[in-house]
Amino acid sequence: DAMVIQNPRYQVTQFGKPVTLSCSQTLNHNVMYWYQQKSSQAPKLLFHYYDKDFNNEADTPDNFQSRRPNTSFCFLDIRSPGLGDAAMYLCATSRDHRGIADTQYFGPGTRLTVL
Amino acid sequence: AQKITQTQPGMFVQEKEAVTLDCTYDTSDQSYGLFWYKQPSSGEMIFLIYQGSYDEQNATEGRYSLNFQKARKSANLVISASQLGDSAMYFCAMREDYNTNAGKSTFGDGTTLTVKP
Repeated sequence: DAMVIQNPRYQVTQFGKPVTLSCSQTLNHNVMYWYQQKSSQAPKLLFHYYDKDFNNEADTPDNFQSRRPNTSFCFLDIRSPGLGDAAMYLCATSRDHRGIADTQYFGPGTRLTVL
Repeated sequence: AQKITQTQPGMFVQEKEAVTLDCTYDTSDQSYGLFWYKQPSSGEMIFLIYQGSYDEQNATEGRYSLNFQKARKSANLVISASQLGDSAMYFCAMREDYNTNAGKSTFGDGTTLTVKP
């Protein structure tokens, strides 16, 4: 089945130790998104790629970086995780974000714990 | 003003009964899309149903239907015959014209639904 896969599902890191979360998709979608979601809150968009074009949200901290080496894969790098970065990180894809009917499909998420 | 408002932080429903989750939205666009997602405790956001602003009929997908009232700017989700597996957080989201919001979706704060046996 076509899908969005995130690895790992659970990640524990130490304060200040860099961590990379990965996302892959078999949907062949042009757009990939990274969201941060804290407990019982709406997901917050960090950035998204339309093909190779990178779009950073204005309030995304510099501590968060992303790479998309090809259509299928996208990575979220947290350079120096702080306690406030503990959250669920959701990857999503969509076909073309220029359309109002463009549906996002989400992966299962990576739950990040910072010790 | 919030673009998506979900006024019910938590809802309870008896198994096999119907439940309505409220969503109101705010946009000046004529063309927009409305979505509902389900998020179980496992974390994955699951797409449930979509309604376009120009769609004349309310969207339906199995036990899910969307009660779309354009003049009132509301897009309520109706779940019929609730099941225990419907217990989850539900998010309403809107996608406006690309020129308005650069292709980003706006999410509400969510409603936690608990189905009681």
